[in-house]
Amino acid sequence: GENVEQHPSTLSVQEGDSAVIKCTYSDSASNYFPWYKQELGKGPQLIIDIRSNVGEKKDQRIAVTLNKTAKHFSLHITETQPEDSAVYFCAASRNFGNEKLTFGTGTRLTIIP
Amino acid sequence: GAVVSQHPSRVICKSGTSVKIECRSLDFQATTMFWYRQFPKQSLMLMATSNEGSKATYEQGVEKDKFLINHASLTLSTLTVTSAHPEDSSFYICSASLQGYSDGYTFGSGTRLTVV
Repeated sequence: GENVEQHPSTLSVQEGDSAVIKCTYSDSASNYFPWYKQELGKGPQLIIDIRSNVGEKKDQRIAVTLNKTAKHFSLHITETQPEDSAVYFCAASRNFGNEKLTFGTGTRLTIIP
Repeated sequence: GAVVSQHPSRVICKSGTSVKIECRSLDFQATTMFWYRQFPKQSLMLMATSNEGSKATYEQGVEKDKFLINHASLTLSTLTVTSAHPEDSSFYICSASLQGYSDGYTFGSGTRLTVV
């Protein structure tokens, strides 16, 4: 089955700086890669996603890049703000909406004011 | 966008009792529901996948007789933790999806189960 590794497990950055979180996956059939933000005691919230036919996607301060050959994808947050502090999870799926998501181990991001 | 309503948000129960968690898709029909469990400071681990009108498919190591999943309609799925024990204390999260729906996977807000 799919295995998703995520690094780093914790990340602290100064407010205004950029944060990068990286994930690798094992199943070459995976074609959907979402990123979720989870705040304490809440369910995951989708912040951005990418499909295998695209190499990069951007939404304001958030971007995701995908390298299918190397089987890795990354989350980039620019101009970080205190409200970006949360746990972030990457995930992978073989079939958008139809098959299960396999989650990475999570990254606790702390923005230092 | 799509919304999944999950209840209760918190529940405390005694060992040996059963607890039911509900997830409702409010503005779309969920053909597939995924149930996850998340222990403190850990990732989400899939417990089972259910499709409307059929039996759930459980992940390896998840006891199907202990975690009963019912997906009787396209808008409601339930997870019942039977004969709960303290080690079942966890955060349970559902995720609904409709293939072809642009929102993909929509997560509930989670249920914090504490078994005392």
